[in-house]
Amino acid sequence: DIQMTQSPSTLSASVGDRVIITCRASQSTSGWLAWYQQKPGKAPKLLIYRASDLQSGVPSRFSGSGSGTEFTLTISSLQPDDFATYYCQQYNRYPLTFGGGTKVEIK
Amino acid sequence: EVQLLESGGGLVQPGGSLRLSCVVSGFTFRNNGMSWVRQARGKGLEWVSGITSGGGTTSYADSVKGRFIISRDNARNVLFLQMNSLRAEDSAIYFCAKLDGDYAEYFQEWGQGTLVTVSP
Repeated sequence: DIQMTQSPSTLSASVGDRVIITCRASQSTSGWLAWYQQKPGKAPKLLIYRASDLQSGVPSRFSGSGSGTEFTLTISSLQPDDFATYYCQQYNRYPLTFGGGTKVEIK
Repeated sequence: EVQLLESGGGLVQPGGSLRLSCVVSGFTFRNNGMSWVRQARGKGLEWVSGITSGGGTTSYADSVKGRFIISRDNARNVLFLQMNSLRAEDSAIYFCAKLDGDYAEYFQEWGQGTLVTVSP
C-alpha cells in the first residue's frame, strides 16, 4: 500500500497569509495526487487533481505542485472561508489512500 | 447538478448487517466508477470500496474484505454497500463518491454521508 504523510497536522495562520501543506508518499504516485478540503459536518470537496490541475470552480488562490513522492498544496492568500481540514489522496494504485489531514486554524 | 444521496445508515449490534444505498442524479451513472469512503468521528478519510462503471471489477480495503460487498444498479442509478459482520471499528460516516473515470481515480463528487454506529 502507498502510505501518505501530511505535514503539518495543524497549522495556525491569519487571513492573508500564504499557506503551504506538504504531502509525502511512501512510493511514487506518478503524479496521480488529489487534494480535498473538508469543513466540519460536511463532505470533502475536490480542489486539485493530477497534482496541479485546479478543479472547476475552485478559486485560483489554491495551487498544487510536486511529482514522484513529494507534493504541496499552496493557498496564496488565506481567506476566512479557507479555514478547514485538507487531505491529499493518491490514486496511482489500489488501495486508494489518504493523508492524515492538515487542519488550518485561525491564528 | 450532480447529486448523491446516501441512506441506510443506523445503529446496529456487533455482528449485524446493514445495506447502504446511494441514489445519484445529474450525470450518466453508468459511465463512472464509484466508491465508498468512510470517516470515523474525529478521524481522517478511509477509502472502503470501489466499483467500475459496468460493475465488473470491485476493490476493497483490507479492513473490510470478505465482509462488505459493493454493487450497483445502472438502470436505477443506485450504488450499494452490503455490510456484514459489523464491528465497532466500522462505526463512521459513509460517503459515496463519484470517480472522474472508471477505476483508480480521484473523487470528483461526494454525497453528504450516512452515519453507521455499531454498538451493543
